[in-house]
Parts: sequence; C-alpha cells; structure tokens
Amino acid sequence: GDSVTQMEGPVTLSEEACLTINCTYTATGYPSLFWYVQYPGEGLQLLLKATKADDKGSNKGFEATYRKETTSFHLEKGSVQVSDSAVYFCALSPGSGTYKYIFGTGTRLKVLA
Amino acid sequence: GAVVSQHPSWVICKSGTSVKIECRSLDFQATTMFWYRQFPKQSLMLMATSNEGSKATYEQGVEKDKFLINHASLTLSTLTVTSAHPEDSSFYICSAPGTGEGTQYFGPGTRLLVL
Repeated sequence: GDSVTQMEGPVTLSEEACLTINCTYTATGYPSLFWYVQYPGEGLQLLLKATKADDKGSNKGFEATYRKETTSFHLEKGSVQVSDSAVYFCALSPGSGTYKYIFGTGTRLKVLA
Repeated sequence: GAVVSQHPSWVICKSGTSVKIECRSLDFQATTMFWYRQFPKQSLMLMATSNEGSKATYEQGVEKDKFLINHASLTLSTLTVTSAHPEDSSFYICSAPGTGEGTQYFGPGTRLLVL
C-alpha cells in the first residue's frame, strides 16, 4: 500500500544553517504531497504542498519539489531560524477525491541561536 | 485561518472507564472530520472518518465498539474510548478538510493516559 518514509530526527542546527529533511513515498496513482509543521502545543499546520509532478511548493522560505522519478519530496530551507524549531511531517493524499492522509513519522528540528 | 479545537487537551483515567474527546470546527462547518492516533515517535495513523448525520467509516483494524464516533452537528465530532485500557494510552488528533485540494486543518490533539 501507499507509504511515506521520512528521515528520523532529531535534527539540530545552528541559526542560518541550511536544512534538508528527506521524504520519499510509495504510491499508486497520482498522490498530492504535503509538508505539515507542528509547533509546541499546537496542531499541525500546512506548510506547503504540491499536487503534481515537478510542482514546487514554497512557504516561509521552505521549499519542496515533487519528484516523481525519485518518488521524493524533500523539504529545504536555505537559512533556518530559531522560530523554525518544530516537528515536520511529510504526508501524501492518494487523491481521487479522498482526503485521507498517510503520514511520515515526523522529524523534530531544533535550531540553536 | 480555519481553527479546529479539541477538548480536553489531556486526560488521565482509570482502566475500565470511558473517555469522550470533542473535536470542534470553530469558524467553519465540516461535514467530514477525521480521527488520528499517534504513538510516540510514530506516524499519525488514521482511525476513522466521521460523517455528519451518518455512521463513521473505520479503518481496517480499528474496533468500532471500542472507539465510538458521533458527528452530531456540522461543527462537532466526538470520539469516545470505551472501557479504556492502558494500551489505549496515546495522542488522539482530529482534523477537518480545508478548501484547498487535500488540505486539512488539525486540532492540537488530546493526550490520553489510562492507568
């Protein structure tokens, strides 16, 4: 069945360092791909999404490109801030009118000043 | 943006008791809501889809009689963990569909500890 594999954390970076969180997926059909972020004490919030191959989602300096050939959707940011400290979840939705999500395990990011 | 709330945020109960968790959409209506369960350091696992005015749809392996779902109105879905046992201790999260394709709005979660 469909699945999402996400790099394990925690990831600890210094402020202004580059960030990459790897995410690969297995799916039949044409899924939509998402990155959600969960700040301490809050619910998951949509960070960015891509609905078809080669689409690039971007928000708040974060980017991820839907790569069908490598079945990947890696999250990147060129310069992280302390406020980016959170847990990041990669997810896919199989599409075809369904809202069901399949999540990765989440990656905790800690950015040090 | 749209907000989904959950109540309570955490609960401790004795084994054998039932616990009800509420999920509310605060500024929008949701004919469908989703309930997830998250174990430490693991993915969110979809438990069931809650449908306003009709029966919930449960994922394979989820006990319907154990996890009762009621979607009483367009803004409220409840999950009742019946006869809770320590293995039911977990983090329960609800969500409701957003306007963008495949987008969901998530509640902050409810942590359940069964002693």
